[in-house]
Amino acid sequence: QVQLQESGPGLVKASETLSLTCSVSGASVGSGDYYWSWVRQPPGKGLEWIGYVYYTGSTEYNPSLKSRVTISVDKSKNQFSLNLNSPTAADTAVYYCARVKWDLLTYYFDFWGQGTLITVSS
Amino acid sequence: DIQMTQSPSSLSASIGDRVTITCRASRTIGSSLNWYQQKPGKAPKLLIYAASSLQGGVPSRFTGSGSGTDFTLTITSLQPEDFATYYCQQTYSSLSWTFGQGTKVEVK
Repeated sequence: QVQLQESGPGLVKASETLSLTCSVSGASVGSGDYYWSWVRQPPGKGLEWIGYVYYTGSTEYNPSLKSRVTISVDKSKNQFSLNLNSPTAADTAVYYCARVKWDLLTYYFDFWGQGTLITVSS
Repeated sequence: DIQMTQSPSSLSASIGDRVTITCRASRTIGSSLNWYQQKPGKAPKLLIYAASSLQGGVPSRFTGSGSGTDFTLTITSLQPEDFATYYCQQTYSSLSWTFGQGTKVEVK
């Protein structure tokens, strides 16, 4: 069974870098069959797609976050990671990692991590 | 960006009711539309992909339809475990995937 697990500091100071890792089991981040993505959800609000990485290292990011975000993949550890520079209180959210599948000419998020709350403090 | 607008934002329904949620895209997205269910404190769960394909293990009372700009999620007979928030998502534009604002289904 595919499982994803986010890990991170929980609390980040503004102007530091928000860094999260997603550990994957039951699937390989080195497989060309999937993309690997991050999504976040501020408390009480909706879902926002952050970006994705492919096993080749190619990426796409949400234009609203593109200048501050880096997503990378580590095939040796079967993990992928998110770095968000210069976070503010507005970046406080539950961060989810997810597997993205391509089928029937579309992409969809078929497996998700449980999510981790990241609070940005000033 | 392609904007996704769901309606209603919330609704009240009873067990056994037929429930319909609508999602409209700001421009055509073909069939690149997915539906997710989210319960409090939990990760979203995929229900429907490619507008009308049922994800494995999802009950058949969930159906999706539509193409282009207008899409619908229907729950044919609402069950107790279906009270949740539902999100649509477009993945047509690889430059930016977007979610609708969500529809909360509550007990009447």
